[in-house]
Amino acid sequence: DGGITQSPKYLFRKEGQNVTLSCEQNLNHDAMYWYRQDPGQGLRLIYYSQIVNDFQKGDIAEGYSVSREKKESFPLTVTSAQKNPTAFYLCASSIAGDEQFFGPGTRLTVL
Amino acid sequence: QKEVEQDPGPLSVPEGAIVSLNCTYSNSAFQYFMWYRQYSRKGPELLMYTYSSGNKEDGRFTAQVDKSSKYISLFIRDSQPSDSATYLCAMSEIGGQAGTALIFGKGTTLSVSS
Repeated sequence: DGGITQSPKYLFRKEGQNVTLSCEQNLNHDAMYWYRQDPGQGLRLIYYSQIVNDFQKGDIAEGYSVSREKKESFPLTVTSAQKNPTAFYLCASSIAGDEQFFGPGTRLTVL
Repeated sequence: QKEVEQDPGPLSVPEGAIVSLNCTYSNSAFQYFMWYRQYSRKGPELLMYTYSSGNKEDGRFTAQVDKSSKYISLFIRDSQPSDSATYLCAMSEIGGQAGTALIFGKGTTLSVSS
C-alpha cells in the first residue's frame, strides 16, 4: 500500500533535548512538508523540500532542522532552541504541489 | 487581517441535515482551493480540490468557490455521524508545482448527532 508513515506516534521530550521525528513516503512524490498544529490553530508550515538535498524554511522554522538525503525520507529534528515544542506534527507529500497528502502525525510532549 | 478566516464552530447538526462550511480569504491571487477532513488525533485527508471559481460535486459533498467575493464553501448533504470531524480549508496561489505552500484556515469542528 502506498502512503506516508510517521513515527513515533507519541514522543516525549525532556527540556534541553533534541528529538527527531521520522517521515517516510512510498508514493514517489517529489515534494515533502512538515507542519505544526496547535489546538484551535490551523496548520503552520515549518519546512518543505521540493527535491532531494534541497529544502526551504516555512513560516515557523526557528528551532527546527530537516534533511532530505533520500526522496522517500524527510526527518524533522526539534532542537532545544524551540521554546514551545509541544504540538501535533504532520508530514505531507505531493507530486504536483497543491494536493498534499498527510501522514498520521506525531504528538510531541515536553516533560 | 489574516489571510484565511474560518469559523471554528463547533457546529452541531442532526443526522440528515445539510451542512454548510465556509472560509473567506484576503489574497486575490489564490487560485487553488482544497477542503480537508481531520478526525481527532489523525492526519488530514483531502476531500475536495477545485481550481478557480465554480462548483465541484463528489457524492454528498459539493465545493463552491466565489473568487469575486473571496469566499469558498463546502456543503455536505444527508450528513452522517461519521462526518463528525474538523474540516480545514486550504488554498494556494500556484498550482502544479511541487513545493507549493498551502495556507490553511483554523478548521471548523462539526458534530453530527444520530
